[in-house]
Amino acid sequence: AQSVTQLGSHVSVSEGALVLLRCNYSSSVPPYLFWYVQYPNQGLQLLLKYTSAATLVKGINGFEAEFKKSETSFHLTKPSAHMSDAAEYFCAVKREDRLAFGKGNQVVVIP
Amino acid sequence: KAGVTQTPRYLIKTRGQQVTLSCSPISGHRSVSWYQQTPGQGLQFLFEYFSETQRNKGNFPGRFSGRQFSNSRSEMNVSTLELGDSALYLCASSLDGGREDGYTFGSGTRLTVV
Repeated sequence: AQSVTQLGSHVSVSEGALVLLRCNYSSSVPPYLFWYVQYPNQGLQLLLKYTSAATLVKGINGFEAEFKKSETSFHLTKPSAHMSDAAEYFCAVKREDRLAFGKGNQVVVIP
Repeated sequence: KAGVTQTPRYLIKTRGQQVTLSCSPISGHRSVSWYQQTPGQGLQFLFEYFSETQRNKGNFPGRFSGRQFSNSRSEMNVSTLELGDSALYLCASSLDGGREDGYTFGSGTRLTVV
């Protein structure tokens, strides 16, 4: 079964520093992969998705992710963190017409 | 275009009661999925409806049920509520089960069982 692993439940980053959130997937076939962001008391907002068209995927709010088949990874990055990036981030893989989510990363931005 | 609308936003129920949550997908979307989010278990898939038919079901007890209407609006029902059912219930809509467009989520219904 396809699943994703996100390490480090809490991630602290200084304002202006690189944001790097790691996601590794297990899949026997090319997967559909997603990153979602959740702000307090809100639903999930799609940041970006990989559907095999391009390995480097650009999303909203300056985020991007690179699909690396050899490393079974889909890490999320943003060059410069803003205070507004404080939120919880989820990596997900599409599996049998459903999404399987990682445990999430709570990102704290330090001024 | 209007997003995914979930009602109500907040709900407080007593153990043993039942509850119905509603989800209106994006216009034109025929797939509606439901997820439960709790601090302990994270995000878990409940079920998916496509064109009024349940296409997939997660590993939840039979107390959790749902349906989809001809206008694609969906409801989920939880009977005989337990304290552990307290969670954020999220609905997601998509054109075709997320294959190309991904899933768009609503803001959720926060259910508290007391």
